[in-house]
Amino acid sequence: SAVISQKPSRDICQRGTSLTIQCQVDSQVTMMFWYRQQPGQSLTLIATANQGSEATYESGFVIDKFPISRPNLTFSTLTVSNMSPEDSSIYLCSVADRMWEDYGYTFGSGTRLTVV
Amino acid sequence: LAKTTQPISMDSYEGQEVNITCSHNNIATNDYITWYQQFPSQGPRFIIQGYKTKVTNEVASLFIPADRKSSTLSLPRVSLSDTAVYYCLVGAYNTNAGKSTFGDGTTLTVKP
Repeated sequence: SAVISQKPSRDICQRGTSLTIQCQVDSQVTMMFWYRQQPGQSLTLIATANQGSEATYESGFVIDKFPISRPNLTFSTLTVSNMSPEDSSIYLCSVADRMWEDYGYTFGSGTRLTVV
Repeated sequence: LAKTTQPISMDSYEGQEVNITCSHNNIATNDYITWYQQFPSQGPRFIIQGYKTKVTNEVASLFIPADRKSSTLSLPRVSLSDTAVYYCLVGAYNTNAGKSTFGDGTTLTVKP
């Protein structure tokens, strides 16, 4: 299955600043996704990162707050902009494995963000 | 997207078999059923996936009845290290961008 490297693993940021999270995959994948997991909660899909076009955002998430880049088939970034304490969460990237029927979606280890 | 319903929590003891059931009444024809395991401070990890009947791998079995409106993850002889949150997902690869919606998950606690 695909292997994902997600950076940084954690960060503590001041409110009003921005943080960019990187997701690197060891193979070319068509679909990449960004999730948020608030403390003690399940995962919520933020957006689908599309290669060569704008990301597709889910209800409640907007591009100005969570701009996403997908320059190629192995890399994507998620920026959390103008942060507030409510943005403190774990952010995870995910890819649809090439052998999806056998391995489903693969997730990165996540970025634990704390906004103070 | 199919909504899933799982028990919020389950307790078990080491060496026992654990069965976690997930309801997905509005599963679509193209949807697969996938189970993930998540430990604290880690991303979800794929356990098993199936479309119908029974699927077995080295760590678990997945039982899917003919109507596919529910599924059961079976973990044989659990150990303390199986204490985690287990998520059932229902979705297809090539529809709606292949995304699936996570339910609330089942927190499994294995006791000595």
